[in-house]
Amino acid sequence: DTGVSQNPRHKITKRGQNVTFRCDPISEHNRLYWYRQTLGQGPEFLTYFQNEAQLEKSRLLSDRFSAERPKGSFSTLEIQRTEQGDSAMYLCASSLLADTQYFGPGTRLTVL
Amino acid sequence: GENVEQHPSTLSVQEGDSAVIKCTYSDSASNYFPWYKQELGKGPQLIIDIRSNVGEKKDQRIAVTLNKTAKHFSLHITETQPEDSAVYFCAAKIRVGGGADGLTFGKGTHLIIQP
Repeated sequence: DTGVSQNPRHKITKRGQNVTFRCDPISEHNRLYWYRQTLGQGPEFLTYFQNEAQLEKSRLLSDRFSAERPKGSFSTLEIQRTEQGDSAMYLCASSLLADTQYFGPGTRLTVL
Repeated sequence: GENVEQHPSTLSVQEGDSAVIKCTYSDSASNYFPWYKQELGKGPQLIIDIRSNVGEKKDQRIAVTLNKTAKHFSLHITETQPEDSAVYFCAAKIRVGGGADGLTFGKGTHLIIQP
């Protein structure tokens, strides 16, 4: 499978715990995006990398959210001290050209 | 920032009929408009996109039209089939600081194809 992959697909955690999600983009795609999708809504842009550089952080929902892409390949999204309002689908997308973004299957987070 | 409105929220059509979903955007600087199809439990799948230098684009049963003056764009699906049933999202590309790009999505249209 040469598409965008995300792990885990599902994560259940207790409030206050930290969680980390991983995204592997399509090979050779230099741009990687993170989005959040809540029930009944469209995806909401969070942050973006070009290679290893994080070019936009201001859309991250709070300082509990952070993302990395240390070697310009896979990326991780971490949420510290999770809250029930963090329950959502977290989507990753990658692109080679500036426009066309291909999404992965997402990680569904449930915070109890 | 960019705001994308999408209508209708639910659309039910008979199999074989056409379906039209409409979106409006607020930022005249937006120049890229993709459409995604999302099935239950899956990530959004790109089905067609259009850039602001063209007014219409077709791909088999799917077409998208763009009116830059009115700031609206539409998805047209002809000869609908049961497998077209899904949630469809329109989006517009926004440009934020540092040259980064993200997509602003509409709230989605649940398309139901009645057999």
